[in-house]
Parts: sequence; structure tokens; C-alpha cells
Amino acid sequence: DTEVTQTPKHLVMGMTNKKSLKCEQHMGHRAMYWYKQKAKKPPELMFVYSYEKLSINESVPSRFSPECPNSSLLNLHLHALQPEDSALYLCASSHSGIQETQYFGPGTRLLVL
Amino acid sequence: SQQGEEDPQALSIQEGENATMNCSYKTSINNLQWYRQNSGRGLVHLILIRSNEREKHSGRLRVTLDTSKKSSSLLITASRAADTASYFCATDAFRGYQKVTFGIGTKLQVIP
Repeated sequence: DTEVTQTPKHLVMGMTNKKSLKCEQHMGHRAMYWYKQKAKKPPELMFVYSYEKLSINESVPSRFSPECPNSSLLNLHLHALQPEDSALYLCASSHSGIQETQYFGPGTRLLVL
Repeated sequence: SQQGEEDPQALSIQEGENATMNCSYKTSINNLQWYRQNSGRGLVHLILIRSNEREKHSGRLRVTLDTSKKSSSLLITASRAADTASYFCATDAFRGYQKVTFGIGTKLQVIP
């Protein structure tokens, strides 16, 4: 199983809402990532979890809060987002390190109104 | 600035032709990867080439790496309409910690 799943596929939220994005992999990977991708731009790294510990936070605003409940799951909690946060949010995983092949999920398309 | 920058940013070819995309980067790397992204979907890993390798093949894909010029190329031979996608190179670099940065991408259109 080389699949990374993400839910929901689409999300529309207001600036006062609280929502969560979920990501799951069953490949036994110990590194998981959140990326943000704006239209016609490359993915930008947000967070890296390594062995369930947050190892990299790319100066992401605190309205984005990641969580790794176990080695298979990765969440991204959203609160008080701004319209400019509208983007495709991609989850990825790799065996153990960021230099390795990353397996991406299909993404969650987020629209903040 | 982007660690990796692809050239051209857009490429349109006829089915059956070859497509070549280039990636340039600025700092030393351990490896370079190429990914494909169909419109609005997740990225799919194509190939990883290490800094001590010069060329790698996978099916219709051929990747070269020239560390002296800090550049890589991706060649897709005998292109198909299904190859229409955006292609990104990703390079690793140490910026206080190891991270991977994606280039701006090449949007390839293969016309049937």
C-alpha cells in the first residue's frame, strides 16, 4: 500500500471557524509533512514530523496547528484563517527523512471566505 | 529565492515528440528529485538522482545531473497526452537543518 489519504477533499470555511485536515498513511513511514501550494506555484513546506515529533516549523503562523497522534496519522488544525490562506494543502510521507522519496496525498482544496 | 528553478516554465509539444525540462539550483545537494503533478492533484515521484550519479533512466524518463553546473535535465521520450502535467525538481539543502525545496515547475502540454 503506497497510498497517502487526505480528508476532506474540499473545505470551505469562514474566518471564525475551526476545522481540521487529516492525513493517513500505512506504509510504516516515520516522517510526515504538510505543504501549502498556491495556484501555479510550487509546494511550500510548512511542517515536518519525524518519529512523531515536530522537527521543522517553517515559521508558519500559529493559526495553523499540526498534530501527529501516532505514526500513521497527521492532522492540521485550522483556526481564524485569512482569505490568503486559501490553497491546496498537501500531506506527504517518507521512510524516515526529508531527503528521501516523498509520497503525496491528493490534497485538500481549502477556501477561506 | 528558489533553490531549484525549472526552464522552460511552459512547454507545448505534439504527441510522440520528446520533451526536455531543465532545473538549475544554487547550493550543493545530496540528491535531486523530479515530481509530476496533474492539475490540482498530489505530486507523484518520478526519479531520484544522487549527487554522485550523472544519469538515470526509468522507462521513458531520462534524468541527467551536472553538479559542476548545478543543473539537471528531465527528458521524456515519445511523449503521450497523459504526460500533460506540471513537472517539479526538488533539491535538498542544508539551511540550518536539512530541507527539500521545490522549483517553480515546468507546465508540459502534450497535444494529441
